[in-house]
Amino acid sequence: DIQMTQSPSTLSASIGDRVTITCRASQSISSWLAWYQQKPGKAPNLLIYKASSLDSGVPSRFSGSGSGTEFTLTISSLQPDDVATYCCQQYNSYPMTFGQGTKVEIK
Amino acid sequence: QVHLQESGPGLVKPSETLSLSCTVSDGSIRSDYWNWLRQPPGKGLEWIGYIYYSGITNYNPSLKSRVTMSLDTSKNQFSLKLSSVTAADTAVYYCARQKGQNWFDPWGQGTLVTVSS
Repeated sequence: DIQMTQSPSTLSASIGDRVTITCRASQSISSWLAWYQQKPGKAPNLLIYKASSLDSGVPSRFSGSGSGTEFTLTISSLQPDDVATYCCQQYNSYPMTFGQGTKVEIK
Repeated sequence: QVHLQESGPGLVKPSETLSLSCTVSDGSIRSDYWNWLRQPPGKGLEWIGYIYYSGITNYNPSLKSRVTMSLDTSKNQFSLKLSSVTAADTAVYYCARQKGQNWFDPWGQGTLVTVSS
């Protein structure tokens, strides 16, 4: 199985800050990576697919980059509505696997 | 837009079989990949498996010996059975669609299943 490792596990930042979350794969997954936002008690919501493609309706302050084994999710200007846990998912091969999540809080 | 909704018992006894259904509305189950995933309390997401609209299945090897998925096209539903459950199977269970073998979208709201006597 491909292991997905996210860092940090928790992040505290101020409104308006630029926030970056990293996801590393245990082997190359090309650009076959998705990012999700999960608010407490809710299902994950797709933000980005194919490493850098923004899903419809997702605010432009979210962006993704990377390929191979290292990927990043960036929030250009953190907003109160962005408080959530973010996780990555690889779809290069089965079984599909997820990172353990990064919890984003407001400082 | 397709909407998914899980249903089933919230409490299952150890060694018994967990059974859940996912009803698909505003769309047809006669296409795409239909998935089950789970998330133990405070932990990350785990993919359980999918059933393709043709009936082909693909299960996570870690659960394969205990998982069965099926489709009911007349009800626009698909189902999960997980046998011989233990406390480690306590989780929020989600159903989700894949249009290809890629990302999951949309997801159902999730249903908490607790394994306890």
